[in-house]
Amino acid sequence: DAKTTQPNSMESNEEEPVHLPCNHSTISGTDYIHWYRQLPSQGPEYVIHGLTSNVNNRMASLAIAEDRKSSTLILHRATLRDAAVYYCILLRGNTGNQFYFGTGTSLTVIP
Amino acid sequence: DAMVIQNPRYQVTQFGKPVTLSCSQTLNHNVMYWYQQKSSQAPKLLFHYYDKDFNNEADTPDNFQSRRPNTSFCFLDIRSPGLGDAAMYLCATSRLGYGYTFGSGTRLTVV
Repeated sequence: DAKTTQPNSMESNEEEPVHLPCNHSTISGTDYIHWYRQLPSQGPEYVIHGLTSNVNNRMASLAIAEDRKSSTLILHRATLRDAAVYYCILLRGNTGNQFYFGTGTSLTVIP
Repeated sequence: DAMVIQNPRYQVTQFGKPVTLSCSQTLNHNVMYWYQQKSSQAPKLLFHYYDKDFNNEADTPDNFQSRRPNTSFCFLDIRSPGLGDAAMYLCATSRLGYGYTFGSGTRLTVV
């Protein structure tokens, strides 16, 4: 299974943008890049996913490197409710049906 | 709203006494998963069902079993819980090749 590497923790000031990096140098051509986050005492929740092109939704943006070996989750204005563990996960398209979580990045938002 | 429901949210069981955790879904997804998450760790996949086909992870202890009587329900049975089995247990569903929807989890305490 392709592996992802993320920093263990990051801090951000409230209302400032946050860039959460993820390395996935062994990604294959059919692997989708998924981001989930887990708030304290909750199950993980979907944030965003992409394959090759950058993606935007109401929660965040996903910037994918041209060689697809890294990606960055962008929260445009961090709020206190964004404090969570963010997981970057690869899912093999059309055949993959197992998520293997890496260690994730614990985001602290400072008021 | 379509969702994944886990009951109960909190479960206390005695050392060695069998316990069953339940998960139901209204999404009609064909794949259901069970994850174990210990404190300050990432979720760890125990097993999953693709329709009625059961897929066990290689390192899942024999003490853990699962049943899926129909599309909507999936159960996690722990035959003889030990203190090391205390954790949050997460149920998730997906359609093959798509992202996951997680339940809120059941926190298991073993006394």
